[in-house]
This record gives sequence, structure tokens and C-alpha cells, in this order.
Amino acid sequence: TQLLEQSPQFLSIQEGENLTVYCNSSSVFSSLQWYRQEPGEGPVLLVTVVTGGEVKKLKRLTFQFGDARKDSSLHITAAQPGDTGLYLCAGGAGTTDSWGKLQFGAGTQVVVTP
Amino acid sequence: GAVVSQHPSRVICKSGTSVKIECRSLDFQATTMFWYRQFPKQSLMLMATSNEGSKATYEQGVEKDKFLINHASLTLSTLTVTSAHPEDSSFYICSARVLRGMNTEAFFGQGTRLTVV
Repeated sequence: TQLLEQSPQFLSIQEGENLTVYCNSSSVFSSLQWYRQEPGEGPVLLVTVVTGGEVKKLKRLTFQFGDARKDSSLHITAAQPGDTGLYLCAGGAGTTDSWGKLQFGAGTQVVVTP
Repeated sequence: GAVVSQHPSRVICKSGTSVKIECRSLDFQATTMFWYRQFPKQSLMLMATSNEGSKATYEQGVEKDKFLINHASLTLSTLTVTSAHPEDSSFYICSARVLRGMNTEAFFGQGTRLTVV
């Protein structure tokens, strides 16, 4: 079983501050996805990273995949109340047999107050 | 991205009755869908893998006779919670995987809030 550990579990910041969420594993993943989930809704895919060392930017969000493809981080610059949500990372093994299964982290609850 | 539609979004049922939840892929075919259960402020727990035209694969500890899964077409999977009890109250979410190259991306339905009274 490939375990993904997310930290911190909970993050409360004020509008305008920056934050970073981490996703770590002892296993190598062929790809890693980040999702954001709001209460009462399903998770929404934010980004997929596949190459070690890859950095992707989505407006104020910056995603990085570790060189060894075992860890990833999500950095939000100048957070806004609309960034509030549960952030989940999920890793894919990438093999034919297991391509359907993603391993999810426990999630990081982010609260941005005005 | 791919669109996955889940219905109903909320359901309240009496203890002992059965509830069916539908998961549809709207603009693509999904031979495989996944059903998750999520408790408040927790991550998603995979319950089972739904395979079109064959039996579902259940995760350890999930009762297959209680959570019936039917994947009758390439765009529809259903989860039926049979003889529901209050402890079955939860947020149920389905997802469909899209294979892109060697990697997959998961697209989720909106979720179904089940309350058993």
C-alpha cells in the first residue's frame, strides 16, 4: 500500500497571507493530482503533475512535484476566502493493473478569513 | 475536463429501506467507476470499484451484500444501500477515471448526502 501523508491537517490564515500544503510518501508515484473540495460537494481536480521536479502554476496556486516523484507541495500566494476548502492530494501508480486506483492523502482543511 | 453527474444530491430515508444512488459520465465512457464514502472533515475512503459488464470489486471491510453496485452501461453505475441503518449515514461520492497517456485523472460527482433516520 502506498501511503500519502498530508501536512498540516488544518490551516487557518488571514486573507492576503501565503500558505503551503505538503504531500509526502515513501513510494514513487507515476503522477500526482491535487483536488479541492468544498462542503457538500465532490472534489474538483486542480492539477496533475507527472514529471519529477515539475512545477505548475494555476493563477495564485503553484504546484511542485518532487524530483524523486515521492512528494509534492501546493503553495497559495495571497490567499483569498474563496480558497477555503479541503485540499486533497492523490497519487497514481500508473501501471495497467492499478491505473484505476488513486491513493488519497488525508486532506488539509484550509480556512481563509477576511 | 470530464463531467460526472451524481444523483440525488441529498436523500433522507427510513431505517430498513434501500436507497439507490446514480453516477453518470456525461461526455465520455467510463468502463470503470469508483465509489467512495466520506465522513465529516475526513478524506475519501474507497468502497469499491465498479466495472462495466462484470462484478464490482470491493475493498476490505465493505459488505458487498449491503452496498450493491451495478454498472450496466458505459455511462452509468449505481450504488444501492440496502436495509439502511443510521450508521450508513454519510457522504457518498463516485468518480470516473480518465486515462491520459500512462496516467489517470479522476473526476468526481457532486456527492450524495445520505441521512438514515
